[in-house]
Amino acid sequence: EADIYQTPRYLVIGTGKKITLECSQTMGHDKMYWYQQDPGMELHLIHYSYGVNSTEKGDLSSESTVSRIRTEHFPLTLESARPSHTSQYLCASSEIKDQETQYFGPGTRLLVL
Amino acid sequence: LAKTTQPISMDSYEGQEVNITCSHNNIATNDYITWYQQFPSQGPRFIIQGYKTKVTNEVASLFIPADRKSSTLSLPRVSLSDTAVYYCLVGEGSGGYNKLIFGAGTRLAVHP
Repeated sequence: EADIYQTPRYLVIGTGKKITLECSQTMGHDKMYWYQQDPGMELHLIHYSYGVNSTEKGDLSSESTVSRIRTEHFPLTLESARPSHTSQYLCASSEIKDQETQYFGPGTRLLVL
Repeated sequence: LAKTTQPISMDSYEGQEVNITCSHNNIATNDYITWYQQFPSQGPRFIIQGYKTKVTNEVASLFIPADRKSSTLSLPRVSLSDTAVYYCLVGEGSGGYNKLIFGAGTRLAVHP
């Protein structure tokens, strides 16, 4: 079973607040990802990282930022939350040599009022 | 990047075999084909991966023809708990630059 964790699972927050979504994995994977998914819709890659100090933007433009100071930790930050950020955020990780096999966390469902 | 096309939805009944076909006409030589399953309010879960011919595991089988321009995920004797969205992905399995794209997937509904 995959060991990748996300906190919080659910978050309701007001407009303008700064939030950080946490993601940690204990598998020693170098590559990590953040996806955004609205209910019943496709997953969109918003950020990914090849390893420590590596961060890249994904296919979907996002106002969020990420950091990768430790291999196991890949937090996502929204400096000023807006209602348009309401969505589910999914974190995943994989080995660099097997990027098709991604292990997903349970997700954070964010509601911005 | 190879783009995939799958049916938007499928219906089946308990005990039947379900086959979901994915088209990937622009698949590259080094690309692998991977299928994921996603239940509501959960992250996707890896099901099966293959490069050519046939792959089978405890959950499903994956059939890939010689030209590799399509693939078929086969779920034997489905149950209600197989109701989920199934995604087909194509991407390079090596350590090279790669961004996988999750399309809309196929929403499978299994009925009693």
